[in-house]
This record gives sequence, C-alpha cells and structure tokens, in this order.
Amino acid sequence: GAVVSQHPSWVICKSGTSVKIECRSLDFQATTMFWYRQFPKQSLMLMATSNEGSKATYEQGVEKDKFLINHASLTLSTLTVTSAHPEDSSFYICSARMTGPSLLFYGYTFGSGTRLTVV
Amino acid sequence: DAKTTQPNSMESNEEEPVHLPCNHSTISGTDYIHWYRQLPSQGPEYVIHGLTSNVNNRMASLAIAEDRKSSTLILHRATLRDAAVYYCILRDPLNQGGKLIFGQGTELSVKP
Repeated sequence: GAVVSQHPSWVICKSGTSVKIECRSLDFQATTMFWYRQFPKQSLMLMATSNEGSKATYEQGVEKDKFLINHASLTLSTLTVTSAHPEDSSFYICSARMTGPSLLFYGYTFGSGTRLTVV
Repeated sequence: DAKTTQPNSMESNEEEPVHLPCNHSTISGTDYIHWYRQLPSQGPEYVIHGLTSNVNNRMASLAIAEDRKSSTLILHRATLRDAAVYYCILRDPLNQGGKLIFGQGTELSVKP
C-alpha cells in the first residue's frame, strides 16, 4: 500500500536553531500533503496544507514564517521549524491523500511522526 | 464544519467485539464518515470510511445509522494491538480542501 516515509523520527535541537523534517511518498505521487502537530495527550492539530509547486496554505494561528513548508516535487514535502524554542517541542506528523485508479479515494496515509525536543 | 462526538475512553477484553460509537448530528449530505486510529507514538492509521451503507474491510466494520447522525466502528475481535486512540472524522470531498480535522477521539484499552 501507499507509504509516507517521515524523517527524522526524533530530533533534539538547541533553542534558536532550525530543524527540517522530511516526508516522502513512496510508490505514489502526493500532489497534496498535510502537516499536523500534536502535543502530549492532545489530538492532532492541522498546521498547513502543502501543494506541489505552490505556496502552502496555513491554518489560522500558525506562523508561516516560523514553519516553512516546501513541496518542490510530487514525492517530497519538508517542514522547517525556524528559530525553534522549547514551546515548539511537539510531535509533528505529515499526511498524504491516497488515490487509486480513476482517482478512487482510498483514505489518507500518515508518516510515522517526528518527535521534536527543543532544549 | 460538522463535528463529531465520541466517548473519551472505552475498555474492552481481548478477543471480544468492540463497538465504538460516534455522534454526528450535524452531518451534511456530502460528508463521508472516516475512522482513523493512532497507536502510541505513531502517526494515525486509516481504518475505514463510508457514506451511507455499512462497510466492511479486513480491519473493521462501519455501521451507519439510517439518518446518518451516528455511526459505530466495530472491531470483531479485539487484540492487544488494537489499543489506540480512535478518531471519527467527517470529511466533505467537495469542501475543506480535502483536509482532515481531528477531534479528541476515543482511547481504547484492551485487557488480556
């Protein structure tokens, strides 16, 4: 089945530095990817929608200059957390929509997540 | 956006059936009902989705009420690996840009 590979699975960085998270769609092309973050014991919160070859669409309240999203190819989307601070520590998850022949919808597939800790 | 209501938590015994309820009284005619689950420290996993008719797949069954204001995810024989948070989500393919908005979900624990 369709798989989204997300890396790294965990990262620790110093406050003020930037961290890049990658999501690759394996064996399928993802024209649209979604980025979520999740704090402990909470649900997933959608941050932005990433479209290949165009600017990402951010949800209300998400700082686009802080969370840079690039979707330069049909198989790769990246999220860069710039000037990270301890409050950015969270679990970040990407997702892509799976479609089959004739664009039949098969649901969404998710990456395994990236645990970011900012110290 | 139409919202869903789920119990915060449920318990089940291993190898017994589990019925996870979801209320969506404001569902629109074009909303699909999706179920995803999230195991600890992992990304969510697709379980099943449907529109009006009941659906079955190798993971679960989805029973949709005739008025579509509620649905039930059925795990026929719970295993320890089914312990997860289960999310019931409404998605209108014609609106929302295709995005999935997660609610709080139901945390299912399975006892051996």
